[in-house]
Amino acid sequence: SQKIEQNSEALNIQEGKTATLTCNYTNYSPAYLQWYRQDPGRGPVFLLLIRENEKEKRKERLKVTFDTTLKQSLFHITASQPADSATYLCAPGGNDMRFGAGTRLTVKP
Amino acid sequence: NAGVTQTPEFQVLKTGQSMTLQCAQDMNHEYMSWYRQDPGMGLRLIHYSVGAGITDQGEVPNGYNVSRSTTEDFPLRLLSAAPSQTSVYFCASSYGTGWTDTQYFGPGTRLTVL
Repeated sequence: SQKIEQNSEALNIQEGKTATLTCNYTNYSPAYLQWYRQDPGRGPVFLLLIRENEKEKRKERLKVTFDTTLKQSLFHITASQPADSATYLCAPGGNDMRFGAGTRLTVKP
Repeated sequence: NAGVTQTPEFQVLKTGQSMTLQCAQDMNHEYMSWYRQDPGMGLRLIHYSVGAGITDQGEVPNGYNVSRSTTEDFPLRLLSAAPSQTSVYFCASSYGTGWTDTQYFGPGTRLTVL
């Protein structure tokens, strides 16, 4: 069955460092992969979408990679800030929409 | 624009009761969907619609019904609530299909079934 795994349930880093979150998927080949941010008690908010023919995509301090051979996406936040603390969800999409359980990132001042 | 709105914000039901969760969007999006979010399991797709009059099942459709009579509204009906349906429910909409386009999520409905 299709499975999505995000590297860890929680990740703690120091302000100013780069946060790297991992999303691995098995048993399917998504043509697109999205990343969302979710704050406590709120709905997810879209961050980035990357297509299978794109290796990397950037938006301000965010960078996403998509390796279809490894079946993995990496999500980086450079120069992290306490305001980046949230849960980050990956969503590999083919002909439907599936989400990982998320990684809760805490950036400490 | 209000974006995606959901009502109610909180709801407590007894087993066997029925109710409708409301979802509306004012962005003229064709694609709308319902998810449930449970601890440690991520968002799971319940039903989706690619336009008025067209609905389809997602990953976990059992116990839920939907209809799409207008572009703006996509209500989710629980016919006979069960404790296993205790969850947070999110409605989302997008211009294109959910997996190829930005999805805009509502604030969620927190449902408890006793």
